[in-house]
Amino acid sequence: GENVEQHPSTLSVQEGDSAVIKCTYSDSASNYFPWYKQELGKRPQLIIDIRSNVGEKKDQRIAVTLNKTAKHFSLHITETQPEDSAVYFCAASGQGLGRRALTFGSGTRLQVQP
Amino acid sequence: KAGVTQTPRYLIKTRGQQVTLSCSPISGHRSVSWYQQTPGQGLQFLFEYFSETQRNKGNFPGRFSGRQFSNSRSEMNVSTLELGDSALYLCASSWRETGNGFAYEQYFGPGTRLTVT
Repeated sequence: GENVEQHPSTLSVQEGDSAVIKCTYSDSASNYFPWYKQELGKRPQLIIDIRSNVGEKKDQRIAVTLNKTAKHFSLHITETQPEDSAVYFCAASGQGLGRRALTFGSGTRLQVQP
Repeated sequence: KAGVTQTPRYLIKTRGQQVTLSCSPISGHRSVSWYQQTPGQGLQFLFEYFSETQRNKGNFPGRFSGRQFSNSRSEMNVSTLELGDSALYLCASSWRETGNGFAYEQYFGPGTRLTVT
């Protein structure tokens, strides 16, 4: 089955700095890669996703890049703010019926220092 | 549009009992997936339902089961509860029609926090 590795497990940055979280996956059949943000006591919130036919996607201060050959994808947050502090999870899956089980990374706790 | 809802939000059960959790997806979504979240194992897939049929199942024992109704609402059941079943159980709603196909993004509910004593 799919295996997703995520690094680092914790990340502390100063407000205004950039943060980068990296994930690798093992199953070359995976073609959908979402990122979720989970604040303490809250549900995982989908913040951005990318499909394997795209190399990069950006949404305001958040961007995700995908390297299919190397089987890794990364989340980039620019101009970090204290409200970005949360646990971030990467995930991988297929897209067809019966193939959309998300396999999650172990999470990155991001702390943005004011 | 209302988000994914789950009931109950908190539950305390004793070992050996069984429990049923409920999930109502976003209106128009046809698929519900269930995940277990624990500090030790992280987020793990339990199963996915679409059109009242289980489409995929994760690596969990047969004590974990589920079903989906014709209105897309889903329930999951855990029988003969064990201490290790204590977790946050999350359901995710997905599969909506768009102008040119389907969208597959999974949106999570707030979860049911199950404590087994």
